[in-house]
Amino acid sequence: DQQVKQNSPSLSVQEGRISILNCDYTNSMFDYFLWYKKYPAEGPTFLISISSIKDKNEDGRFTVFLNKSAKHLSLHIVPSQPGDSAVYFCAATARGNAGGTSYGKLTFGQGTILTVHP
Amino acid sequence: DARVTQTPRHKVTEMGQEVTMRCQPILGHNTVFWYRQTMMQGLELLAYFRNRAPLDDSGMPKDRFSAEMPDATLATLKIQPSEPRDSAVYFCASGSPTGAGYTFGSGTRLTVV
Repeated sequence: DQQVKQNSPSLSVQEGRISILNCDYTNSMFDYFLWYKKYPAEGPTFLISISSIKDKNEDGRFTVFLNKSAKHLSLHIVPSQPGDSAVYFCAATARGNAGGTSYGKLTFGQGTILTVHP
Repeated sequence: DARVTQTPRHKVTEMGQEVTMRCQPILGHNTVFWYRQTMMQGLELLAYFRNRAPLDDSGMPKDRFSAEMPDATLATLKIQPSEPRDSAVYFCASGSPTGAGYTFGSGTRLTVV
């Protein structure tokens, strides 16, 4: 049962344009969402997050949007740069049940390979 | 910068051999994860510890995999006996549930031949 899904295995974008990466989730208990970026031969690195009490969070060129009713989030990168080429993972967790065995447990999507062409 | 340290970085072993992967979480982090990256499944959760106590290892094949935290500075993932289908990159991550995000190590690339 894939609770977090990234339906696009890959995305190709021209430098300077917008990259939009999408993620869907099914578990209504998820209340905190994260995006990680992964380069080859390295571990994933945290990029940006959003709490379910918000619908948008921005950090420089990166913005994450959350649509709770649709159980959908997206990561926008504007403008895209060749150095942004990497695998992007969406992740979700339930922080509302502190002390429960699932508290803080991260569930990841399958990842989307982003390629930004010069 | 504080880092999660994983050893070894690469391991090639023969089918049937025991494999032990080690992780040193960041000091002060009370939550430790083991993930496995495969082409089809993305990042699969294998085991999850809080304050060294195992909370969830439902993603781990129990007959051959085991995960432990003998102390706060060391987490281990053991496979015995190893099989070719175990070939993957294994990541350790540590952090706090209320933190911004967990920190991952660089991974152990395991190849079982």
